[in-house]
Amino acid sequence: DAGVIQSPRHEVTEMGQEVTLRCKLISGHNSLFWYRQTMMRGLELLIYFNNNVPIDDSGMPEDRFSAKMPNASFSTLKIQPSEPRDSAVYFCASSPPTSGGLGGIQYFGAGTRLSVL
Amino acid sequence: AQSVSQHNHHVILSEAASLELGCNYSYGGTVNLFWYVQYPGQHLQLLLKYFSGDPLVKGIKGFEAEFIKSKFSFNLRKPSVQWSDTAEYFCAVIAGRRALTFGSGTRLQVQP
Repeated sequence: DAGVIQSPRHEVTEMGQEVTLRCKLISGHNSLFWYRQTMMRGLELLIYFNNNVPIDDSGMPEDRFSAKMPNASFSTLKIQPSEPRDSAVYFCASSPPTSGGLGGIQYFGAGTRLSVL
Repeated sequence: AQSVSQHNHHVILSEAASLELGCNYSYGGTVNLFWYVQYPGQHLQLLLKYFSGDPLVKGIKGFEAEFIKSKFSFNLRKPSVQWSDTAEYFCAVIAGRRALTFGSGTRLQVQP
């Protein structure tokens, strides 16, 4: 089992550029969560999907952020245009159907460290 | 709305000391409770969970947690910490129909 796979592991970009973060779920999992972690704000839930449907996007900071699940095993988080304050580690996590769609038992990816200059 | 409070932001202990990290939640109904751990430079991993039954839950690496419903608490304990327990610990709760909510985390530093 390969676990949750995120790419890239590190991303350095300039302010104003578009950034796309990618996440592959564990096979058979049906819930997907995107988090942002910073020293100042800790771990924040941005958005989560259940069966490819966005359930709660109230944590998405602005319209510059968007997330999609084009299929059951893959998700993207896009920031356009990026700003220095978006610099953080972005984690995705997946959860099996037995967690009831609310993600109690989550398996985290290794994260993408984003630096916006 | 549910919330999770971890009052200890940073804890420093010597090896072999006992550990107790506090976690309180605010929700009057049925809850599912979790502790996750994040070792330096790594992602979060599940440490233990409580759904129902025995309120004393045992997890990996000698950790345990006790659910005390009357106190809305789910404190994490370990009788004797090791240097390798240095990490950040997150309490989390599922309450009602809201997805898992994490506390702000407690950074544990164990000194050899």
